[in-house]
Amino acid sequence: DAGVTQSPTHLIKTRGQQVTLRCSPKSGHDTVSWYQQALGQGPQFIFQYYEEEERQRGNFPDRFSGHQFPNYSSELNVNALLLGDSALYLCASSLRSPTGELFFGEGSRLTVL
Amino acid sequence: ELKVEQNPLFLSMQEGKNYTIYCNYSTTSDRLYWYRQDPGKSLESLFVLLSNGAVKQEGRLMASLDTKARLSTLHITAAVHDLSATYFCAVLSNSGYALNFGKGTSLLVTP
Repeated sequence: DAGVTQSPTHLIKTRGQQVTLRCSPKSGHDTVSWYQQALGQGPQFIFQYYEEEERQRGNFPDRFSGHQFPNYSSELNVNALLLGDSALYLCASSLRSPTGELFFGEGSRLTVL
Repeated sequence: ELKVEQNPLFLSMQEGKNYTIYCNYSTTSDRLYWYRQDPGKSLESLFVLLSNGAVKQEGRLMASLDTKARLSTLHITAAVHDLSATYFCAVLSNSGYALNFGKGTSLLVTP
């Protein structure tokens, strides 16, 4: 049973560019959450998707947007990249959130130059 | 805003010793999680604590929750090198959708 898979694993962008990160949830899970983890910090909640709708959003600007597809996979888009967007982006999936346990993917490490 | 504080942030301990990591949070919550993260890796779920007085143990790690004190502890017994990692506690927000993480405790177990 595949766990949460994310792609790409590493990527480098320059300031002002746009990036799309992808996440496939664990089999049977219907809820996807995205977190940003800066170096040496704990993960910070970006937003959560359920039934293709953004259910809650953390304290992130509108440059961060997302989408959930009918197969429950999800994308995170970041526009107008800033140096401060450099981080590990983690996707977590769960079943029947908020009661379900979260399973995290390996993350996408974004470096903005 | 729910705040989660861990201490210590850095911990160097000898193999065979015992120690406790503390996690305080600012508002009531229905559940608390402990995760382990190895360098460059993702988060591995260790424990989910659901109620006051909950205690869970796995190997050399034991976690407990006191919801009245808004405090969770992660106790390490007879540490071994393989336990070296960063440990995070995370508290479910009142909305029930977001996890609020502490800054993590970086643990190094030395011979």
